[in-house]
Amino acid sequence: KNEVEQSPQNLTAQEGEFITINCSYSVGISALHWLQQHPGGGIVSLFMLSSGKKKHGRLIATINIQEKHSSLHITASHPRDSAVYICAVNGIGASNYQLIWGAGTKLIIKP
Amino acid sequence: EPEVTQTPSHQVTQMGQEVILRCVPISNHLYFYWYRQILGQKVEFLVSFYNNEISEKSEIFDDQFSVERPDGSNFTLKIRSTKLEDSAMYFCASSSRDRNQPQHFGDGTRLSIL
Repeated sequence: KNEVEQSPQNLTAQEGEFITINCSYSVGISALHWLQQHPGGGIVSLFMLSSGKKKHGRLIATINIQEKHSSLHITASHPRDSAVYICAVNGIGASNYQLIWGAGTKLIIKP
Repeated sequence: EPEVTQTPSHQVTQMGQEVILRCVPISNHLYFYWYRQILGQKVEFLVSFYNNEISEKSEIFDDQFSVERPDGSNFTLKIRSTKLEDSAMYFCASSSRDRNQPQHFGDGTRLSIL
């Protein structure tokens, strides 16, 4: 069983739509990360959060520790938002240095 | 804004050869990481490095792999006797102060083993 599950796997939407990507995890965590991977392969950290909600521009990330669930929202989506969005967690306990990665959600925004 | 830089961007090597992938982390960062992504698969943790020693490694990081911080700026991943299945994108990352900080990633090195 994967420790970090994302849904959906693929998402295609029209420009301007409100986007939600979900992440569920089964391990205890100290932090959760949302990252963006561009078609060329580069990875950019978007958010790191351990509680509540964070906002940066059109991106919003929320986490519910009790439910072990996080969401990434994109408002007023734009074709340049097209990328793979990955959820990753810092586990606690023995594996507390490594990031445990989800499989990613491939987002395509059509003009 | 400071960046993590990786060289080369693409490395093609014959099976059985040794490769060294290089990374220059952000200068005031203390924690360093290597990750691997096989084409079409998710990113996998290889190793973390702090205070000049490995702090954690995954099952993937066997005796074939080694890491080094030879000169206080570079952070290298060496793969001895490469195998076809080592073909992947390798990402270096660094973070400041402690492990629960955002990690900053390089653009990756695409390693192709022939």
